[in-house]
Amino acid sequence: QKEVEQNSGPLSVPEGAIASLNCTYSDRGSQSFFWYRQYSGKSPELIMSIYSNGDKEDGRFTAQLNKASQYVSLLIRDSQPSDSATYLCAVNTYNQGGKLIFGQGTELSVKP
Amino acid sequence: DGGITQSPKYLFRKEGQNVTLSCEQNLNHDAMYWYRQDPGQGLRLIYYSQIVNDFQKGDIAEGYSVSREKKESFPLTVTSAQKNPTAFYLCASSIGFGRGNYEQYFGPGTRLTVT
Repeated sequence: QKEVEQNSGPLSVPEGAIASLNCTYSDRGSQSFFWYRQYSGKSPELIMSIYSNGDKEDGRFTAQLNKASQYVSLLIRDSQPSDSATYLCAVNTYNQGGKLIFGQGTELSVKP
Repeated sequence: DGGITQSPKYLFRKEGQNVTLSCEQNLNHDAMYWYRQDPGQGLRLIYYSQIVNDFQKGDIAEGYSVSREKKESFPLTVTSAQKNPTAFYLCASSIGFGRGNYEQYFGPGTRLTVT
C-alpha cells in the first residue's frame, strides 16, 4: 500500500461546479497535511495546509481532514478553467521530521 | 522579493558528465530539500538539509551529491553514476525541520535532459 494515495484522474468538471479531490494516507501518526497545485511544466505551489480534524476554508478552497478515516480532501467551489492543474497531496508524520510524503497527484480539468 | 531561485531552467548534458544544479533562497529558512519528478509521478526526495554543513539522504540519493556550506544555498550534483538522470528537479525550503511548521515552498525547477 502506498503511503499517500490519490486518484490520478483526470477529473473533469464543468465550469462553476464543485471539484472534489481526495487523498488517503496510511500512517496514523500523520500530523500535517498539505495541498499543492502544479500547472503543467511548472513547480508545485502550496495552496492549503490543515492540521486538525474538520474543515478549513480559504476563498474558493476548502480542505477537509478526517484523521479517524485517514483521508484529506480538497473542495474547489465555482471551478474555473484556470483551476485546471494537477493537485498534489502531501503528508507529514511525526517520525519523519520535516519530510513530506507526496501522492502522485490528481489531474483536474475544468471545462468551459 | 523573497523566494527560491533555481538555475538554469533547462539543462542539456551528454551521458557520462556530472552536472550541478543551483538552488538559492532568501527566505531565511533553515531546511532545504531536493526532489525529483518524473512524468506522471509524484515527488521523490533526493537529499535534505536541516542546517548548514549537515545533510541527509532521502529516498533516492544514489548517483547524487549535495553540499550546504551556506544557509542560502543547496546545490545538487547529478553524477554519471545516476542511471536515469533525465527528470524535473525541484528545490524546496521550509522554516525549520522539526518545529511544527512543515510547509515547504518550491523553486521554479530545473528540467535536465541527458542524452
